[in-house]
Amino acid sequence: QVQLLQSGPGLVKPSQTLLLTCAISGDSVSNNSTAWNWIRQSPSRGLEWLGRTYYRSKWYNDYAVSVKSRITINPDTSKNHFSLQLNSVTPEDTAVYYCARDPGRSAGGRGFDYWGQGTLVTVSS
Amino acid sequence: DIVMTQTPLSSPVTLGQPASISCRSSQSLAHSDGNSYLSWLQQRPGQPPRLLIYKSSNRFSGVPDRFSGSGAGTDFTLKISRVEAEDVGVYYCMQATQFPWTFGQGTKVEIK
Repeated sequence: QVQLLQSGPGLVKPSQTLLLTCAISGDSVSNNSTAWNWIRQSPSRGLEWLGRTYYRSKWYNDYAVSVKSRITINPDTSKNHFSLQLNSVTPEDTAVYYCARDPGRSAGGRGFDYWGQGTLVTVSS
Repeated sequence: DIVMTQTPLSSPVTLGQPASISCRSSQSLAHSDGNSYLSWLQQRPGQPPRLLIYKSSNRFSGVPDRFSGSGAGTDFTLKISRVEAEDVGVYYCMQATQFPWTFGQGTKVEIK
């Protein structure tokens, strides 16, 4: 059974950096058919995909246009986790952040089949 | 990006009665491999989303058979044959045909 466990602060000051981690059990961040994603949810934006990291003989990242200049997603193979870094946050970045697994088309093209528990991040001074 | 539009946005249902949610995409979700990569997710209050249906009509592991999905191209439907109290929540469609994957705005299912 795949489980994703998120950690990180729930309060970030404006202009600072949001940093969250997603620990994976039951799968590997280096699985060469899976992608590891960050998604956020807010009343104003609904569910918004932010980005992903995946390994296909080498590491790749894709990011949403809306956050591309501010986001970094990094895998850590030694800890089997991946992280989200979002720079220069504003109150508009206040949301519940989720990590999620996409097992890829070889597993049936499910989209996001396992999700982390969610982290409410509030951007406020 | 593909825009996903759900109707209705709210669905009050009597326990034991059926419920139906529609999802329309701004472009066809038919992939070159012949599949439509449309998923349905359930989000109970205070919980993360949970995958129910993928590839339009396939139930994910552990999902009760009262949930069914259908559709192809641009029009898709989620049906609950007999609503139970635990089905209360918000339901989202999501497309995984064309990157980036995108979500509908959600349909709230509540008990009358």
